[in-house]
Amino acid sequence: EDKVVQSPLSLVVHEGDTVTLNCSYEVTNFRSLLWYKQEKKAPTFLFMLTSSGIEKKSGRLSSILDKKELSSILNITATQTGDSAIYLCAVVLGDSGYALNFGKGTSLLVTP
Amino acid sequence: DGGITQSPKYLFRKEGQNVTLSCEQNLNHDAMYWYRQDPGQGLRLIYYSQIVNDFQKGDIAEGYSVSREKKESFPLTVTSAQKNPTAFYLCASSIPRGGRETQYFGPGTRLLVL
Repeated sequence: EDKVVQSPLSLVVHEGDTVTLNCSYEVTNFRSLLWYKQEKKAPTFLFMLTSSGIEKKSGRLSSILDKKELSSILNITATQTGDSAIYLCAVVLGDSGYALNFGKGTSLLVTP
Repeated sequence: DGGITQSPKYLFRKEGQNVTLSCEQNLNHDAMYWYRQDPGQGLRLIYYSQIVNDFQKGDIAEGYSVSREKKESFPLTVTSAQKNPTAFYLCASSIPRGGRETQYFGPGTRLLVL
């Protein structure tokens, strides 16, 4: 069964909109949660979250972890066409050599 | 110029053929990983290695093999036993930090079956 579930699977917005992407996980031995952005090639790292309630921020992107609800959100404000990509959420477990367990991703398309 | 390199960018496999995908890193990372990505899917773990001369199977290791003879290299062989090899293959590396490490990815290899 899926350990990491992302929603929505796809999203189309207009430039300037604010979007919220969701990631929920059902795992034991949680270590950390990571967000990546993928634009037709290798995923690039956005955030790592380990502590509940502490927001990580980088420009127009921000993310927060809720360990009680076993979830995380990724917010993008004032979206631009360059934000169009697949956003991947991954959870690190304390087994499998700390490999990443990925969700299926959210495909975001920002239209002009 | 540090980073992870993968080659080739595209690879074509004939029926019954074994092919090897290269992954090299000069980041001095101990841990290396191979993932497979299919359309509309997240990445799935094939193999991982936390130290030279040691590697472990991931969730979908059947039909694949690896070696880790050098710290900087972690090649993946797709054997003829892998019946559905067409996918995007990504290699990653990290410095082990007890689950709080960031994995960095190479540019990937797209494998296609002729």
